[in-house]
Amino acid sequence: DIQMTQSPSYLSASVGDRVTITCRASQTINFYLNWYQQKAGKAPKFLIYGANTLQNGVPPRFTGSGSRTEFTLSISNLQPEDSATYYCQQSYNSPRTFGQGTKVEI
Amino acid sequence: QLVESGGGWVKPGESLRLSCVASGFNVTNVWMNWVRQSPGKGLEWVGRIKTKVDGGTADSTFPVKDRFTISRDDSKNTIFLDMTSLKVEDTAVYYCATRGMNYEFKWFDLWGQGTLVTVSS
Repeated sequence: DIQMTQSPSYLSASVGDRVTITCRASQTINFYLNWYQQKAGKAPKFLIYGANTLQNGVPPRFTGSGSRTEFTLSISNLQPEDSATYYCQQSYNSPRTFGQGTKVEI
Repeated sequence: QLVESGGGWVKPGESLRLSCVASGFNVTNVWMNWVRQSPGKGLEWVGRIKTKVDGGTADSTFPVKDRFTISRDDSKNTIFLDMTSLKVEDTAVYYCATRGMNYEFKWFDLWGQGTLVTVSS
C-alpha cells in the first residue's frame, strides 16, 4: 500500500495568514493526489483533484501543487471558516490511502 | 445526498448491516465506496462496488476483506455494508461516498453524514 504522510499534524494561524500543508507519498503517484477538508463533527468535503485542480465552488485562496511524491496545499488569506482538518489522498492505485490529517486552527 | 444508517453498539464477533440511501441521483450509474474513521483518527478506505454496467463487483481493503461485504440494490437506490466477525478495531464512523471522476482522475465526491459503529464487550 502507498503510505501518505502529512506535515505538520497541527498548525495554528491567524485570519489573513497563508499556511502550507505538505503531503508525501511513499512512492511516485504522478499527479494522482486529492485533498479534502473535514470540519469538526462533519463528513469530509472534496476540495482538489489531480494535485492542483479545484473542485467547483472551492475558493481560489486554496491552491494545490506538486507531483510524483511531494505535494502541498496552501491556503492564503486564511478565513475563520477554514478551521478544519485537511487530508490528502492518493488515487494512483488501490487501496486508496489517506494522509493522517493536518488540523488547522485559527 | 447520501444518508447512512444501521450503526450501533455490538460485541466482538457479532454482525451488523449498514445502509446508504441516495437521493437526488441514481446510484445505478455510480461506483460507491465505504470509508471509515476511527475515533480521533484519520480516514481509511474500506471498499467499493462498481456499477452493474462495469461488472457490479466489489472489493475491500485487506483488514476487512474476508469479513465485510458490499452490495447494492439499485431499485432502492441503496448500498449496503455487511460486517461480520466484528473486532474492537472496527469501531469507527462509517461513511459512504460516491466516486467522482473525469477522463483521468478519480476522487471521493459526495459523502454521507456517517454512522457510528462501536464494537466493545
